[in-house]
Amino acid sequence: DAKTTQPNSMESNEEEPVHLPCNHSTISGTDYIHWYRQLPSQGPEYVIHGLTSNVNNRMASLAIAEDRKSSTLILHRATLRDAAVYYCILRTGDMRFGAGTRLTVKP
Amino acid sequence: DTGVSQDPRHKITKRGQNVTFRCDPISEHNRLYWYRQTLGQGPEFLTYFQNEAQLEKSRLLSDRFSAERPKGSFSTLEIQRTEQGDSAMYLCASSLAADRRTDTQYFGPGTRLTVL
Repeated sequence: DAKTTQPNSMESNEEEPVHLPCNHSTISGTDYIHWYRQLPSQGPEYVIHGLTSNVNNRMASLAIAEDRKSSTLILHRATLRDAAVYYCILRTGDMRFGAGTRLTVKP
Repeated sequence: DTGVSQDPRHKITKRGQNVTFRCDPISEHNRLYWYRQTLGQGPEFLTYFQNEAQLEKSRLLSDRFSAERPKGSFSTLEIQRTEQGDSAMYLCASSLAADRRTDTQYFGPGTRLTVL
């Protein structure tokens, strides 16, 4: 399975943008890039996914590098409720979670 | 609430006992997944069902684990002869999509198992 590499932790200030990086140098042409997040004491929740083009939804934006070997999840204005562990996942079928990035948002 | 529900939310048992967890997916979702999550780690895939058929099982799913989804609705995960290493959060998720590369999985709150 193709693997992803994410920083263990990141900090952000409230109401500032956050860029969460993910490296996936062994991605295959059919792998979709998914992001899920897990708030404290909850199950993971879907954030966004994409294949080649950048994607936007109400929660976030996903910027995918032209060679697809990396991607960045962008939270445009972080709030305290965005504090969570963010997982970058490559999918051709099952979801294989890594350890993710723990995002701390400071007021 | 029409989300995924799991029961019980917490279970404490003694080593060697059997335990069973239940998951009720979102109505009409045809896929149901089970994951296990230990402290500080991301969820690990255990198994998944499409309707009532169990289509894939992880190597993590030892012979002591069995899952069912009768009639393609709710699912149960049973662990026989529990061991302390089984202590974890057990998560259930459901989805509705034709393509497993893109389906959005909706997770329940999990069942936290503690084996003494």
